[in-house]
Amino acid sequence: NAGVTQTPKFQVLKTGQSMTLQCAQDMNHEYMSWYRQDPGMGLRLIHYSVGAGITDQGEVPNGYNVSRSTTEDFPLRLLSAAPSQTSVYFCASSRSWEFTGELFFGEGSRLTVL
Amino acid sequence: AQSVAQPEDQVNVAEGNPLTVKCTYSVSGNPYLFWYVQYPNRGLQFLLKYITGDNLVKGSYGFEAEFNKSQTSFHLKKPSALVSDSALYFCAVRDRGSTLTFGKGTMLLVSP
Repeated sequence: NAGVTQTPKFQVLKTGQSMTLQCAQDMNHEYMSWYRQDPGMGLRLIHYSVGAGITDQGEVPNGYNVSRSTTEDFPLRLLSAAPSQTSVYFCASSRSWEFTGELFFGEGSRLTVL
Repeated sequence: AQSVAQPEDQVNVAEGNPLTVKCTYSVSGNPYLFWYVQYPNRGLQFLLKYITGDNLVKGSYGFEAEFNKSQTSFHLKKPSALVSDSALYFCAVRDRGSTLTFGKGTMLLVSP
């Protein structure tokens, strides 16, 4: 099992550009989520999904879109990148909503917006 | 709204000594509590959880945590620290109906 795979690992964008961070898991997990990690702020939830076709907003959803067309994939789209979106992004999954606390994390995607 | 406080940005301990990383929480329902560890340039790894039952829970790599309802705390402990335990540790909380909220993290540095 590869677990949770995120691509790309590094990305530099210019302000106003759009891009998609990819996340795939091969554990048949129902629950998937995106967090951003900023120094001194811990991890903050952006969006999450409790199953295919279902998504919901987390604590900091503005400027981001998600979709969940399959169980395996949960891409995060930045619509018009801003310097405030410079961060490390983590995708995480768990067996189901009930096990939301026992997350499996990807290795992260480091995004810099100039 | 639920929240987690990790009052120490950094904890320093000598190898072989016991370590404690502190965590307090606030949640409206019954708390589900978790600890995660993050090594440099890696994703977080689940260490242990408290859902119900015994207040002392044991997890991976010899770590344990003690749930104290009256003090709303869930401190992470290890009897004898290793240099390889040096990492960033996150406490997290949720209740039955909510998503997971993380604390800001505590850097643990174990000196040889």
